[in-house]
Amino acid sequence: ETGVTQTPRHLVMGMTNKKSLKCEQHLGHNAMYWYKQSAKKPLELMFVYNFKEQTENNSVPSRFSPECPNSSHLFLHLHTLQPEDSALYLCASSQDGSSGADTQYFGPGTRLTVL
Amino acid sequence: GQNIDQPTEMTATEGAIVQINCTYQTSGFNGLFWYQQHAGEAPTFLSYNVLDGLEEKGRFSSFLSRSKGYSYLLLKELQMKDSASYLCAVTDSNYQLIWGAGTKLIIKP
Repeated sequence: ETGVTQTPRHLVMGMTNKKSLKCEQHLGHNAMYWYKQSAKKPLELMFVYNFKEQTENNSVPSRFSPECPNSSHLFLHLHTLQPEDSALYLCASSQDGSSGADTQYFGPGTRLTVL
Repeated sequence: GQNIDQPTEMTATEGAIVQINCTYQTSGFNGLFWYQQHAGEAPTFLSYNVLDGLEEKGRFSSFLSRSKGYSYLLLKELQMKDSASYLCAVTDSNYQLIWGAGTKLIIKP
């Protein structure tokens, strides 16, 4: 158990659907992250929240919309996605994202398929 | 640009030793991480190096040479459960993690 949970674990959606991914961490951390993982590619950082404030948005299309209501919860709202958005979406948390040794702990991911 | 290179796939035999290399070119350096990721599961932390040299943790060791932009993960006494992908990541000058694409390690009996 890593202390980071994600729901749902699997999601199939059409291009016109709206859905949300949920992440919760039980580690008392202050930083949370969304990553996209595609086969044989490096992890792509999408968004970073530090003390509930968004600090990074790495040129992510607006069809992905993050929400961080508190330090323990992170959402990724999805709408009008494209088939190329199919991937594993990983959530992670870390103490505060402000040092080189700040270790990130990952959830199991949501396997998203866009039809 | 920033770049992390590691082999795509490696094969080794149960009970043997394997070394997974990682080279990096990043804007600044604040440490290097190795993570293990079993298929369909979360990446899990293995090691962190910020100073040159070898860090040993049981069957796993990680080495860093900052002057060469190079690290390796050494796995000894390989077990079938070590079949996984191994991810190398470097913290840059802005404390962002730059990730390699991972090395898939296949262990054969």
